Amino acid sequence: DTEVTQTPKHLVMGMTNKKSLKCEQHMGHRAMYWYKQKAKKPPELMFVYSYEKLSINESVPSRFSPECPNSSLLNLHLHALQPEDSALYLCASSLQGSGKPQHFGDGTRLSIL
Amino acid sequence: GESVGLHLPTLSVQEGDNSIINCAYSNSASDYFIWYKQESGKGPQFIIDIRSNMDKRQGQRVTVLLNKTVKHLSLQIAATQPGDSAVYFCAENRDGGFKTIFGAGTRLFVKA
Repeated sequence: DTEVTQTPKHLVMGMTNKKSLKCEQHMGHRAMYWYKQKAKKPPELMFVYSYEKLSINESVPSRFSPECPNSSLLNLHLHALQPEDSALYLCASSLQGSGKPQHFGDGTRLSIL
Repeated sequence: GESVGLHLPTLSVQEGDNSIINCAYSNSASDYFIWYKQESGKGPQFIIDIRSNMDKRQGQRVTVLLNKTVKHLSLQIAATQPGDSAVYFCAENRDGGFKTIFGAGTRLFVKA
């Protein structure tokens, strides 16, 4: 079982909907990440939070809005997404704010209609 | 642009044989590398890492080799098992940086 828990596992939404992806870890890790992975492609970095502060935003469109309410939780708020945003969204964490993800969740598979 | 890439997209090996997965990188400033394994329907799993001040590191049944001269690293899996079937990614990170960049990936098939 993964130590990084992501919910929901699957999400189907329309382009006008607002939804949120959630990620949780209780390992005391201080860095958390969002990656996007398209089919048969490597994960692409979206955001990095280090000690609950946003340290990296890889020029992600504003329709994706990350939030880190505390050191254990990471959210990704979604609004007005496009069909090309359909992908697997992976959350990861690492012990220190080092940018080196150690534990990944199993992802949320997102489909935009 | 600078990138991390792999020589082979797929690798098929016989169960019990050793596997070697290769990776080339072009960013000379990268000084930390990670290998991940991703099974179908799961997130990447950390396998082993290596810093640029080392040229070899061993784990359980896995060895990573780093050749900075030619900007190449490899993952060796000893006595490959069916459970090793997965996609393997190399990734690079600059020490002190917050970005871990994944390479394209190699799919490993293990034949029984």
